[in-house]
Amino acid sequence: AQSVAQPEDQVNVAEGNPLTVKCTYSVSGNPYLFWYVQYPNRGLQFLLKYITGDNLVKGSYGFEAEFNKSQTSFHLKKPSALVSDSALYFCAVRDIVDWGAGSYQLTFGKGTKLSVIP
Amino acid sequence: NAGVTQTPKFQVLKTGQSMTLQCAQDMNHEYMSWYRQDPGMGLRLIHYSVGAGITDQGEVPNGYNVSRSTTEDFPLRLLSAAPSQTSVYFCATNIVSASTDTQYFGPGTRLTVL
Repeated sequence: AQSVAQPEDQVNVAEGNPLTVKCTYSVSGNPYLFWYVQYPNRGLQFLLKYITGDNLVKGSYGFEAEFNKSQTSFHLKKPSALVSDSALYFCAVRDIVDWGAGSYQLTFGKGTKLSVIP
Repeated sequence: NAGVTQTPKFQVLKTGQSMTLQCAQDMNHEYMSWYRQDPGMGLRLIHYSVGAGITDQGEVPNGYNVSRSTTEDFPLRLLSAAPSQTSVYFCATNIVSASTDTQYFGPGTRLTVL
């Protein structure tokens, strides 16, 4: 079974400061990892993903995430936060050990609300 | 290119009523899925489909039916609405591929069951 944990319900950061939104995961095999963002009254938008390769993944809007296999983490980061980054952020995982079995299900974390304070 | 569209945007039902939430995509994606989003619960998978004629249950399928007669459409049916089904419902699609795994989400349907 696959699972994702986002340990913080809310993260507050001052505009211009670096931000980190934490995510840890659990899978049987190797993970596909994703970050999505949801703005108020909107659907989820894809930010970035880790499939294989370089542990530092760069995505949309200046976000990046670092895959750490030993710590089973995939934290989302940005060097300088903007007020417009305020939104709900979801981490998601899929275990690729069952690839080809017909199961393409993503498991989402509960979400972290990011508030960037002017 | 409309992407993923959902109708209606908002709906209020009485307990016991039935309704169908519509989802359509014009990206020719094989994989479509329905999620519900509840506060503090994240997104939970209701049903999914890997192609026309093929559907399967997700994490929380009870009280919902789906069918997939075409690649484009994946309606979600509530058979007898209950207050516990008050939620925001999202449809999502993606290409089935080992290297392309990004899901595209619709704008959502906000459902209230009284």
